[in-house]
Amino acid sequence: EVQLVESGGGVVQPGGSLRLSCAASGFTFDDYAMHWVRQFPGKGLEWVSGIRYNGRTVTYAGSVKGRFTSSRDNAQNSLYLQMSSLRPDDTGIYYCAKDIMHSSGDSFDAWGQGTVVIVSS
Amino acid sequence: SSELTQDPAVSVALRQTVRITCQGDSLRSYYASWYQQKSGQAPVLLIYGKDIRPSGIPDRFSGSSSGDTATLTISGAQAEDEAAYYCNSRDSSGDLVVFGGGTKLTVL
Repeated sequence: EVQLVESGGGVVQPGGSLRLSCAASGFTFDDYAMHWVRQFPGKGLEWVSGIRYNGRTVTYAGSVKGRFTSSRDNAQNSLYLQMSSLRPDDTGIYYCAKDIMHSSGDSFDAWGQGTVVIVSS
Repeated sequence: SSELTQDPAVSVALRQTVRITCQGDSLRSYYASWYQQKSGQAPVLLIYGKDIRPSGIPDRFSGSSSGDTATLTISGAQAEDEAAYYCNSRDSSGDLVVFGGGTKLTVL
C-alpha cells in the first residue's frame, strides 16, 4: 500500500523558515516524480513544486520561486520542502503527492494526509 | 488567479448525470486530470490522460475533452459523490502545473 506521511508543519512568524518532510513507502520511490501541493484555508488547491525522480530538475510555482526549495533523498525515500521568507498567505495545508510518471507531470495518484503551516505573528 | 476555470458549484439529483467542466487555453495541448476531495480528506485522482481511471475508481466517472474544455462526467451520481472536484493540467508555458478553482458538487 502506497503511503505518504508529511511532517514538519507548525506555527512560524512572518519572515521565518520551516522544513517539511514527506516519508514515502509502499512503492519504488526513485521511480517517480514527486510534488508539493498546498490548500489555503477553505479554498482550493495550489501546486507548489515538482521534482523529477532523480532530483535533477525541480520546478516551482511563481508564488514560491526563490523562497521555497524542494529536494529528495532517494536512499531515505523522503521528499523535503525548505520554506523561507514565509508570509501569512503561505498559511495552509501542505500535501506531498506522487506523480504517475518519472518526469514531473500533472497526474498525482497518491497523496499524504497533509501537514498544517500557519504563518502568523 | 488560476489558468483553469471551473464553475464554483453544481448540483445534481440522485442517480442523474452531471458534467463538471474545466476551461483553459492549455487544454488545447494537454489533458486534464480530475480529483475528488471530500471534506477533511486529501484529494483522490479520478481521471488522467485521455480517459483513464486508476484502479478502484468506479466506472461512473469518465473524462472527455474538446478544444479548450475538459469535462468530468458522473453517470448516475451517488450520495457519496458529494465533494469538491478539481481539474489540473499544465500551464500555458507547459512548464508548470495549475489547478482549477474547484467545483463543489451537491447531490440532491
